Amino acid sequence: EAQVTQNPRYLITVTGKKLTVTCSQNMNHEYMSWYRQDPGLGLRQIYYSMNVEVTDKGDVPEGYKVSRKEKRNFPLILESPSPNQTSLYFCASSLYLQGVTDTQYFGPGTRLTVL
Amino acid sequence: GENVEQHPSTLSVQEGDSAVIKCTYSDSASNYFPWYKQELGKRPQLIIDIRSNVGEKKDQRIAVTLNKTAKHFSLHITETQPEDSAVYFCAASIRHAGKSTFGDGTTLTVKP
Repeated sequence: EAQVTQNPRYLITVTGKKLTVTCSQNMNHEYMSWYRQDPGLGLRQIYYSMNVEVTDKGDVPEGYKVSRKEKRNFPLILESPSPNQTSLYFCASSLYLQGVTDTQYFGPGTRLTVL
Repeated sequence: GENVEQHPSTLSVQEGDSAVIKCTYSDSASNYFPWYKQELGKRPQLIIDIRSNVGEKKDQRIAVTLNKTAKHFSLHITETQPEDSAVYFCAASIRHAGKSTFGDGTTLTVKP
């Protein structure tokens, strides 16, 4: 089954404790992206990647890191989480053919609480 | 950067009525405009999209129109049903650039 998976689905942590949220897709998509969703603010793009070893900042990259060492995986790293990073996080992927992206498929979401 | 404004933030209609949600964008380079539906506790899912070389696209009860000159696009849902109740998001992106900007969402409630 074609899908985007995220782990963990729920996480409660404390300020300053490094964490990684994993994202994996099995559709051989070149493009992957991370979003955060907060009430009333829609989805805001954190980072995106057009292909392996190619990443770029979205609208709200502060406090986050990403890496794209393999095509299927795009982990989101919070080196020193703070309470304002409490949010619902979505990973998404899409084809990137002939220089253009296509429909984005979203993962199930990760609800993060930073105390 | 791109800025997308979405209106209204909440919309309540009677079953069978039509619903219209509007979005405006600021970057004239944007050329891809998807609409997503997000049910409570679920992930966003694409319901329809339009590219900048097309003015209108329809899929059964759902249609999207795009006015590039005015930089706005709209989602039209006809013959609404209770299962259409959800949060709807518009987005604007430049297909070769990778950045996507979403509107803040519209909560649609369809009353039986």
